[in-house]
Amino acid sequence: NAGVTQTPKFQVLKTGQSMTLQCAQDMNHNSMYWYRQDPGMGLRLIYYSASEGTTDKGEVPNGYNVSRLNKREFSLRLESAAPSQTSVYFCASTKGSTSTEAFFGQGTRLTVV
Amino acid sequence: RKEVEQDPGPFNVPEGATVAFNCTYSNSASQSFFWYRQDCRKEPKLLMSVYSSGNEDGRFTAQLNRASQYISLLIRDSKLSDSATYLCAVNRGSNYQLIWGAGTKLIIKP
Repeated sequence: NAGVTQTPKFQVLKTGQSMTLQCAQDMNHNSMYWYRQDPGMGLRLIYYSASEGTTDKGEVPNGYNVSRLNKREFSLRLESAAPSQTSVYFCASTKGSTSTEAFFGQGTRLTVV
Repeated sequence: RKEVEQDPGPFNVPEGATVAFNCTYSNSASQSFFWYRQDCRKEPKLLMSVYSSGNEDGRFTAQLNRASQYISLLIRDSKLSDSATYLCAVNRGSNYQLIWGAGTKLIIKP
């Protein structure tokens, strides 16, 4: 039972390059999330998808776009990477709302140079 | 002031001791409260939910104080394997937005 799978695990980008982080869950969860984690800042919500077909901005959406491709998959795209986007990115899913347990992927360590 | 605040630590505690830490939140409309554990360079994993009546799971006890707007985590008879960062998470009132503390680092020493 894989849970939440994120790819890639590591990535180095040059400023201005684009990339897509992939996330898939096999728990039949309705809601999916993208967070970034920076030292001393805690997890900050970038975008979320409460259910298939919907996406909403979180706390720090600027510079990112998302796609809820189907119930299983939720991707995060950086169109023009900036050094300020150097961070660890986590995808997560919940069965319904955030009143239930969140399951996380293993994270993507992104460095923008 | 941050919406959710934690003492970053580290808390250096001898094995077998009892340790407690708190997490304060500012949104009085928050309804859901959690403690997550995060090992170094790993993803967060749920430790326990925090209910109004408190919650106990083995050596771990979590409590909610709505009047003072904080949740607490107590670890009894600490083990080396308890060394980790403990994150608190509080919902903002919206059902899909959790606000996270920056975490408290716990180091258990032999």
